[in-house]
Amino acid sequence: EADIYQTPRYLVIGTGKKITLECSQTMGHDKMYWYQQDPGMELHLIHYSYGVNSTEKGDLSSESTVSRIRTEHFPLTLESARPSHTSQYLCASSGPTWKDTGELFFGEGSRLTVL
Amino acid sequence: AQSVTQPDIHITVSEGASLELRCNYSYGATPYLFWYVQSPGQGLQLLLKYFSGDTLVQGIKGFEAEFKRSQSSFNLRKPSVHWSDAAEYFCAVGSNYGGATNKLIFGTGTLLAVQP
Repeated sequence: EADIYQTPRYLVIGTGKKITLECSQTMGHDKMYWYQQDPGMELHLIHYSYGVNSTEKGDLSSESTVSRIRTEHFPLTLESARPSHTSQYLCASSGPTWKDTGELFFGEGSRLTVL
Repeated sequence: AQSVTQPDIHITVSEGASLELRCNYSYGATPYLFWYVQSPGQGLQLLLKYFSGDTLVQGIKGFEAEFKRSQSSFNLRKPSVHWSDAAEYFCAVGSNYGGATNKLIFGTGTLLAVQP
């Protein structure tokens, strides 16, 4: 069983609020990822990180930001939530080599609803 | 550009019946191919992966997949489905960006329902 945790699991919030989705892993993985998942759509990579102090934007443009101050922690922040941000956000991590990288360990997701 | 197509959005099978989920990919070089499963309210779990070698790969929970380069396919199979297999299944293709962060491209998923 993967040791990667996301909080909150569900969040309903009003437009304009600032939100932070937390993601933590206890596997010591350097690589971490945030994917956005909408029903009937493929998972889209929105952010990833090679390690501490490294963050990159993914293939899908997102208004969210991320930080990586500690290896185990990769939070995602929306400064001003909008209804278009309603989605499920999945955090993942992977090991150091490509063959390890292919195996992503996922958290259970954070389902965000912005009213 | 890399892409993954899962032609079947939703499939229903009877418990005990065989299952095949289709996956086609588009990638210029040798692909790295994966199948993940997502149960309701859960994250994704790796079922199996193909990097090289034997084109028939075995995974967890009795699943297998066959890589067919000529058809650009990586179909997932199971000889006898159990009710607990009801979930959403995602095919993914990865590439090697020289050992740095390697990204996976996911398909849209196939939702599997199992009838008693």
